[in-house]
Amino acid sequence: GDSVTQMEGPVTLSEEAFLTINCTYTATGYPSLFWYVQYPGEGLQLLLKATKADDKGSNKGFEATYRKETTSFHLEKGSVQVSDSAVYFCALSDRQSGNQFYFGTGTSLTVIP
Amino acid sequence: ETGVTQSPTHLIKTRGQQVTLRCSSQSGHNTVSWYQQALGQGPQFIFQYYREEENGRGNFPPRFSGLQFPNYSSELNVNALELDDSALYLCASSLDSGGYNEQFFGPGTRLTVL
Repeated sequence: GDSVTQMEGPVTLSEEAFLTINCTYTATGYPSLFWYVQYPGEGLQLLLKATKADDKGSNKGFEATYRKETTSFHLEKGSVQVSDSAVYFCALSDRQSGNQFYFGTGTSLTVIP
Repeated sequence: ETGVTQSPTHLIKTRGQQVTLRCSSQSGHNTVSWYQQALGQGPQFIFQYYREEENGRGNFPPRFSGLQFPNYSSELNVNALELDDSALYLCASSLDSGGYNEQFFGPGTRLTVL
């Protein structure tokens, strides 16, 4: 069945450091891929998405490229800020699996000044 | 534009009881999905409702049931509560049932089963 495997955390970085959070997936069809973020005390919100192979999603300085050959959708940011401290979830939705969303376990990021 | 709202915020029940959680979808959205998020885990898909019909179900037993109303708001019902049902229950609405659509999440209902 469909699944998402996410890099385990927690991750602690200094401000302005480079961020990579790894995400790989298994899907029966051609899924859409998403990164959601949960800031402290807030609900889940969409950070970026990609709906087909080689698409790059980007938002707020974060980027992720849909790589079909490696079944990956790694999240990157060139220079993190303290305000990026949150939990990040990789997710997929596959029409062949009934459009349900599959989420990874989440990666907690803390950025220190 | 009002976002997704859920009620109640917190709930405490005892084992064997029944619970109903409520969700109001974002204006213009006809699809509602429900998720269970255990502590330290990602959300697990329970089911989805599209135009008042169940449109997909995850690996949850039949004691988890739902409804969607003509105004697209939704309820999640859980019968015969078990201790493991303690979790954050999230509702998400989307413009349509297609998997490429962004899901907008509510703040969740924290259920504690004693």
